[in-house]
Amino acid sequence: DAGVIQSPRHEVTEMGQEVTLRCKPISGHNSLFWYRQTMMRGLELLIYFNNNVPIDDSGMPEDRFSAKMPNASFSTLKIQPSEPRDSAVYFCASSLIRTQGADTQYFGPGTRLTVL
Amino acid sequence: AQKITQTQPGMFVQEKEAVTLDCTYDTSDPSYGLFWYKQPSSGEMIFLIYQGSYDQQNATEGRYSLNFQKARKSANLVISASQLGDSAMYFCAIFSNTGNQFYFGTGTSLTVIP
Repeated sequence: DAGVIQSPRHEVTEMGQEVTLRCKPISGHNSLFWYRQTMMRGLELLIYFNNNVPIDDSGMPEDRFSAKMPNASFSTLKIQPSEPRDSAVYFCASSLIRTQGADTQYFGPGTRLTVL
Repeated sequence: AQKITQTQPGMFVQEKEAVTLDCTYDTSDPSYGLFWYKQPSSGEMIFLIYQGSYDQQNATEGRYSLNFQKARKSANLVISASQLGDSAMYFCAIFSNTGNQFYFGTGTSLTVIP
């Protein structure tokens, strides 16, 4: 298995521009998570999907952030407009959650976003 | 609410020695999972080991073992025979079967000294 795939790996953009981050989860996993990691705030859960449906988006910072999962093999996280404080590493992770819980969660390599 | 506490922001260990990284958790769920991840300086998050709340035996994966003490709500990671490549941040996490979510600690930075 190729693991969780994220693109791009690095993104540098200017304030005000739209940024779209992409994620392909591991085949067969039914849950997908978007995290943000910064030195100041550590690892934060932004949103997660179960069977392509957003379950909890309470971690999404504000309306500038949106996430979609149109099918089981693809998700996007969009920031519009971007701001310098959005600079962080964004991780996508996927998991197989069964009735009795989850015993796996695998992370993608992350997207390092820099907003100038 | 679920909570993970890692009280050691930084740890040092001599190469080839064993080291224990502490993790305590707080949950009211009867069923949950505990995870450890390694994040080297390159940035990727690497899944190391998993322990289910109903597992009778402590989980082991190669040089990694999880010292699970359910009554004390602790899930410490033990790394045996430390290697220089073990230098990294280590995160403890809990999966809540009720909330279907993962909660992470703040991490422990481990430095292996040659």
